[in-house]
Amino acid sequence: EAGVTQSPRYAVLQEGQAVSFWCDPISGHDTLYWYQQPRDQGPQLLVYFRDEAVIDNSQLPSDRFSAVRPKGTNSTLKIQSAKQGDTATYLCASSPGTGKDTQYFGPGTRLLVL
Amino acid sequence: AQSVTQPDARVTVSEGASLQLRCKYSYFGTPYLFWYVQYPRQGLQLLLKYYPGDPVVQGVNGFEAEFSKSNSSFHLRKASVHWSDWAVYFCAVSMLSGSFNKLTFGAGTRLAVCP
Repeated sequence: EAGVTQSPRYAVLQEGQAVSFWCDPISGHDTLYWYQQPRDQGPQLLVYFRDEAVIDNSQLPSDRFSAVRPKGTNSTLKIQSAKQGDTATYLCASSPGTGKDTQYFGPGTRLLVL
Repeated sequence: AQSVTQPDARVTVSEGASLQLRCKYSYFGTPYLFWYVQYPRQGLQLLLKYYPGDPVVQGVNGFEAEFSKSNSSFHLRKASVHWSDWAVYFCAVSMLSGSFNKLTFGAGTRLAVCP
């Protein structure tokens, strides 16, 4: 069974540029999570979906961040006008859907904003 | 609000020695607790999870953890550390929101293994 895949693995931007991260969850997993992990910190939940519906995006840092999952499978997280404070690893996770299910994490995208 | 504290940012042990990584949680109600490991340039992998029941849970690769409600703790243990255990370890508490599992992570403990 293929795991959660993410691309790109690395991104380097100048402040003000936009970037998108892509996530392909494990097949059949209807719940998808995006986390932000600053250097030397634990992951912090940004947004999560059940199928194509956003369940909670209250932790998205600002209106510069957006996330979609239009067909209930792959998902894209986008940062408009990146700032140095956005430098972090962005992790995607998926789970089969019930509350106690384990979340399976992808390898992450490491973002550096100069 | 729920929170997790991992008081030791870095731990160094000798290969073959025993290990304990500490985790304290704050949660109103009965928590679900997890330990994840993150190897260099990889995503998080689940080591073990606690759901209400037996306070000692067994995980992969010889890891176990013990839940203590009185101490609000969920410490991770291993009897004999191997060099391949060199990684960052995260403790997490889950808040079930409806049917969704919202994880709150600690800051992590970096484990180094000396020969």
